[in-house]
Amino acid sequence: NAGVMQNPRHLVRRRGQEARLRCSPMKGHSHVYWYRQLPEEGLKFMVYLQKENIIDESGMPKERFSAEFPKEGPSILRIQQVVRGDSAAYFCASSPADRGGDTQYFGPGTRLTVL
Amino acid sequence: QKEVEQDPGPLSVPEGAIVSLNCTYSNSAFQYFMWYRQYSRKGPELLMYTYSSGNKEDGRFTAQVDKSSKYISLFIRDSQPSDSATYLCAMRSGANSKLTFGKGITLSVRP
Repeated sequence: NAGVMQNPRHLVRRRGQEARLRCSPMKGHSHVYWYRQLPEEGLKFMVYLQKENIIDESGMPKERFSAEFPKEGPSILRIQQVVRGDSAAYFCASSPADRGGDTQYFGPGTRLTVL
Repeated sequence: QKEVEQDPGPLSVPEGAIVSLNCTYSNSAFQYFMWYRQYSRKGPELLMYTYSSGNKEDGRFTAQVDKSSKYISLFIRDSQPSDSATYLCAMRSGANSKLTFGKGITLSVRP
């Protein structure tokens, strides 16, 4: 049973380029969460999605960041016009249902470096 | 004041020691409490989950929650070098699914 999959594992972008991070939830899971981990900081919630719906985006920066979880295919976190401050590890987690968050399983992360 | 505060590290102990990791929080709405372990360059792995106040034991690990003091703890007995990792406390209210994490503490168990 494959776990949460994220790709790419490492992504290098120059300032001003776009970054696309992909997350495939565990089989049978329909809820996806994105978190960001900055150096020397804990994990910070960004967005919570179900298929074709954004449930909670209270942690998303107001500009340049967007997320989607289409009916078919992986969830995508998109960062437009990246800046050096976007360099971080981005983690995706999935759960089978909104049962209190106790069953959020994390992927290995995508490490974004902005040059 | 941050919602979740975690004891700063790093922490280094000899093999076989009992380790105590702690977090405090300010949001009284939190009801679900978790501990995650994160090895270097890996994703967080769920270790323990507790609902409301009380204790939970799983092998060498014991999680405690004291809601009256807004304080949670993770105890590791007979610590092993393989326990060397970063430990993150996390919690959430019943109202939504987002987890609020502490900053994490890096534990090193010396052989």
